[in-house]
Amino acid sequence: QSALTQPASVSGSPGQSITISCTGTSSDIGVYNYVSWYQQYPGKAPKLMIYEVSDRPSGVSNRFSGSKSGNTASLTISGLQAEDEADYYCCSYTSISDSYVFGTGTKVTVL
Amino acid sequence: EVPVVESGGGLVQPGGSLRLSCVVSGFTFSNYEANWVRQAPGKGLEWISYISSIGGTIYYADSVKGRFTISRDNTKNSLYLQMNSLRPEDTAIYYCVLNGGPGYFDPWGQGTLVTVSS
Repeated sequence: QSALTQPASVSGSPGQSITISCTGTSSDIGVYNYVSWYQQYPGKAPKLMIYEVSDRPSGVSNRFSGSKSGNTASLTISGLQAEDEADYYCCSYTSISDSYVFGTGTKVTVL
Repeated sequence: EVPVVESGGGLVQPGGSLRLSCVVSGFTFSNYEANWVRQAPGKGLEWISYISSIGGTIYYADSVKGRFTISRDNTKNSLYLQMNSLRPEDTAIYYCVLNGGPGYFDPWGQGTLVTVSS
């Protein structure tokens, strides 16, 4: 099972909005709404930011939002802040071997 | 209190074995499906194994199938990963993660580092 495809890096200035794409296939993102997003700071464990495509866990800022169209999911961070600088990973359930597949990861830089 | 704590990592020679453990607190562990996810140094996340809440259903990634065994003991709120025939490419931080709901991982442990090297 190949990893979902994400851009290696995305950057933006404070206050701007950025969007991270996550492209999969008709075996994962295209057929399941089990898409989640994780934020990871260097040396730390990942943290759940979005689940089931667009739902936010309690405590996660409403500046984070998720969506999906066809085989591609997206994470949008609005009102970019310095604390948003981190790595972000998407993840989807896949019918291939009843497993999960993560994205390649995107480094977000706040300019 | 940290809800998920892994242990058992360390340095092991290629071909060797290691058993990782994970203790969960603050949750009714038996209600949760659980997984192991790993991250090689400087690399991305890789899901490697899943076990259902009572252990009746188990899945593995192709990269570890036949070498790793996931198990759980709900009476001890614990998840395990027996790793055999270890290879240098198994070097990674191994995270114990619960399924907070269908298709997503929450919470995560802090991870335990496994290094496979001679």
